[in-house]
Amino acid sequence: AQTVTQSQPEMSVQEAETVTLSCTYDTSENNYYLFWYKQPPSRQMILVIRQEAYKQQNATENRFSVNFQKAAKSFSLKISDSQLGDTAMYFCAFMMGYSGNTPLVFGKGTRLSVIA
Amino acid sequence: GAGVSQTPSNKVTEKGKYVELRCDPISGHTALYWYRQSLGQGPEFLIYFQGTGAADDSGLPNDRFFAVRPEGSVSTLKIQRTERGDSAVYLCASSWSPGGELFFGEGSRLTVL
Repeated sequence: AQTVTQSQPEMSVQEAETVTLSCTYDTSENNYYLFWYKQPPSRQMILVIRQEAYKQQNATENRFSVNFQKAAKSFSLKISDSQLGDTAMYFCAFMMGYSGNTPLVFGKGTRLSVIA
Repeated sequence: GAGVSQTPSNKVTEKGKYVELRCDPISGHTALYWYRQSLGQGPEFLIYFQGTGAADDSGLPNDRFFAVRPEGSVSTLKIQRTERGDSAVYLCASSWSPGGELFFGEGSRLTVL
């Protein structure tokens, strides 16, 4: 079974600074997707960024970027120019296979606080 | 509607009672997922529908939990003889197809006293 580990229960960062959230995963598969989701107090999970395992180039979405190390099974999220609205729980998630006909497996999350 | 809608937003019930939680996915989304999120944990998969049929129900914890999607749109998660351990936020998500981006609702918070 696939597992996702987030070793940082809580993190804090000053507004406008950069923060990196860690994620490692365990799988014997070669084809899969990785995701970072944000969950604000409203409880609604919002997709932040997505990475296909077959792509060597790291995904980037505006202030959010990932460092995908396939051999090390590591998938960290970097948030640049942190904003107060980035305060939320962040979950790393794994999906197996090209068809996507498998459920997302989530880590336990990292609570990020952005301090003014 | 514009997004995934879940009702009720909050439900408080007594141990042993029956509960139904409803999910209205984004129109046209064929794939629908139910997850359970306990306090301080990440969401855990319960069941996945492709159209009207349950494609994967391996995450349902026991036979007290059941879900339906009779017309391939709205889904209902049903919990019989609720226990205090069932207290959690139940999240629903939908997507255009398996592997597509998942859009989540705001969840239903269930509290079993």
